[in-house]
Parts: sequence; C-alpha cells; structure tokens
Amino acid sequence: GAGVSQSPRYKVAKRGQDVALRCDPISGHVSLFWYQQALGQGPEFLTYFQNEAQLDKSGLPSDRFFAERPEGSVSTLKIQRTQQEDSAVYLCASSLGSGANYGYTFGSGTRLTVV
Amino acid sequence: GQNIDQPTEMTATEGAIVQINCTYQTSGFNGLFWYQQHAGEAPTFLSYNVLDGLEEKGRFSSFLSRSKGYSYLLLKELQMKDSASYLCAVRAYGGSQGNLIFGKGTKLSVKP
Repeated sequence: GAGVSQSPRYKVAKRGQDVALRCDPISGHVSLFWYQQALGQGPEFLTYFQNEAQLDKSGLPSDRFFAERPEGSVSTLKIQRTQQEDSAVYLCASSLGSGANYGYTFGSGTRLTVV
Repeated sequence: GQNIDQPTEMTATEGAIVQINCTYQTSGFNGLFWYQQHAGEAPTFLSYNVLDGLEEKGRFSSFLSRSKGYSYLLLKELQMKDSASYLCAVRAYGGSQGNLIFGKGTKLSVKP
C-alpha cells in the first residue's frame, strides 16, 4: 500500500483482557519496528523485525507483550492480560532496509485505553 | 545509557524563525532524524543528518555537530500549520539494530 496501515485505530480494553494490534507495512519494506508512545512523550522502542526474523525485542516491557511477523509482511503486537499502564499509542514503522540512509515511515498508530 | 534532551515547549509568532535544539548522549551514532508529529497523527520525516553541518530543505534546516552531541532544527517563515510536536531521534547502531531512540519531543505553538 501507499503507507503504513495500522488497525484498529482505537481500542478500549478492560483490564485483564488480551488485545492484538495489526500493522501493514509498505509493500517490500524489509524492516519493521514497533514503538510505544505515552501521552506527551516521545516514542519508545519495543521490537524490531527484519523480514520474518525478530532481531531485537529488548524494548518489550514484560512477557505479556509478544510480537510476530510470520511471513515477513504484516505484523501483530499482542498484549496479554492488559494493565492500565499499557494505555498508550502503539506506533508501527517500516523501512526499505536497515542501513543508515533508509528512512522510516510511521503508521498513525493504535490508541489503546485500558479501563 | 541513552539520553536525548530537547525543550518541552516553545512558542513563536507566525512569519518568524524558531530554532529547536537537541542534545544527545548515546552509545554509538549512526544518524540523527527530525520528525514532525501533529496531535493524533503519525510522525512524519523532516530531515536526516549523519555528517556535521547544515542540511537545508525548503523552510526547514537541520544542523549537526557530532563532537558536541548537538543538533538543531530551524523553521523559517513560520505558518500556523507548523504547530506540532517536533521529535529528535538518534539511530545509535548500524546494521540490524536500526531502531531510533527518541527524545520526548518539543511542542511548538505558532501564534498569529
């Protein structure tokens, strides 16, 4: 597609519920990143994929967070047993490559509210 | 650790020039990015610096000094639509670890 698409745009979850957030990167983009952005803060890195391989998951805040990209295109970020502190905007970004000169294109994000 | 600092808020007048500063301390450096983010929207790419000096692109310019760990974004001929958050981000590693480390963002308000 023309840009990075994320769904749903908004998600309200009850505490303890599991959620799945989807990211459709730009076609052909090798690299895919997930970020978490709290209100009034900059994005914080969660995890990185190169094709289907998850090369870095050091930013995932707990074992309740899990991400996958099984076919090297669409990615899903899953949060189990959601907590109120998980409330944030979850941004996905994709890039043509992993070299320094490749730009990153962000999606509009999924705003998760845990009540 | 990784640290990127930028002012929290700035206010400027339509038609004026504003400079948003960013200082960074990171383990390694492989490029500095500036992004613009309107409320509720995706960050959009503004500029990229990897070598020292000034990069100019229309009304926007970005400067980098690697020895000082310092960058600034210069916005000229400010327009009301420039009211947004401006994010400074450093790519600390090359190769497969290409994630960006972001500052908290500078919220710019442009007033008539």
